[in-house]
Amino acid sequence: DAKTTQPNSMESNEEEPVHLPCNHSTISGTDYIHWYRQLPSQGPEYVIHGLTSNVNNRMASLAIAEDRKSSTLILHRATLRDAAVYYCILRDGFKAAGNKLTFGGGTRVLVKP
Amino acid sequence: ETGVTQSPTHLIKTRGQQVTLRCSSQSGHNTVSWYQQALGQGPQFIFQYYREEENGRGNFPPRFSGLQFPNYSSELNVNALELDDSALYLCASSLGGDSNQPQHFGDGTRLSIL
Repeated sequence: DAKTTQPNSMESNEEEPVHLPCNHSTISGTDYIHWYRQLPSQGPEYVIHGLTSNVNNRMASLAIAEDRKSSTLILHRATLRDAAVYYCILRDGFKAAGNKLTFGGGTRVLVKP
Repeated sequence: ETGVTQSPTHLIKTRGQQVTLRCSSQSGHNTVSWYQQALGQGPQFIFQYYREEENGRGNFPPRFSGLQFPNYSSELNVNALELDDSALYLCASSLGGDSNQPQHFGDGTRLSIL
């Protein structure tokens, strides 16, 4: 499985944007970029995913570099509820069986009021 | 729609015992995956079941086994418990074999081995 590299932690102020970087220099052509987050005492939660184009949903935006070797998850206005560990994960879009999620250490986001 | 539910929420066992953890998948989901999360680390994939068959396995010994039932609920069984098995066990359900379908997680079972 292709690996991802994320900063261990980031801090943000409430109501300000948060930009979470992820490096994936060994990404293959069939790998999709997925983001999950894990709030304290909860299981991980799907946030967003994309292949080449930037993606937006109600939770966040995903900006993907043109060479696909890095991406950035953008939380437009951080709230205290966004304090969590954010995981950047590569998934092979053509793998039919055992499509597991390979979690790294993630980025712990602290939101200050 | 009902989300993924796991039981029990907490469990304490001693070394050498056996344990069964249960998971009810989200309505309409036919795929269940199990993960182990040690304290301070990301979840690690144990195995996945699709339509009652094991559909992929991570680097876990055979004493970790599972079942999926016709209603797509699932069990994780661990035999001969070891101290290192102390962890949060997470179940996730998804729809079909499409790798891009999001996995929906329960809040886990916290297993402590004494």
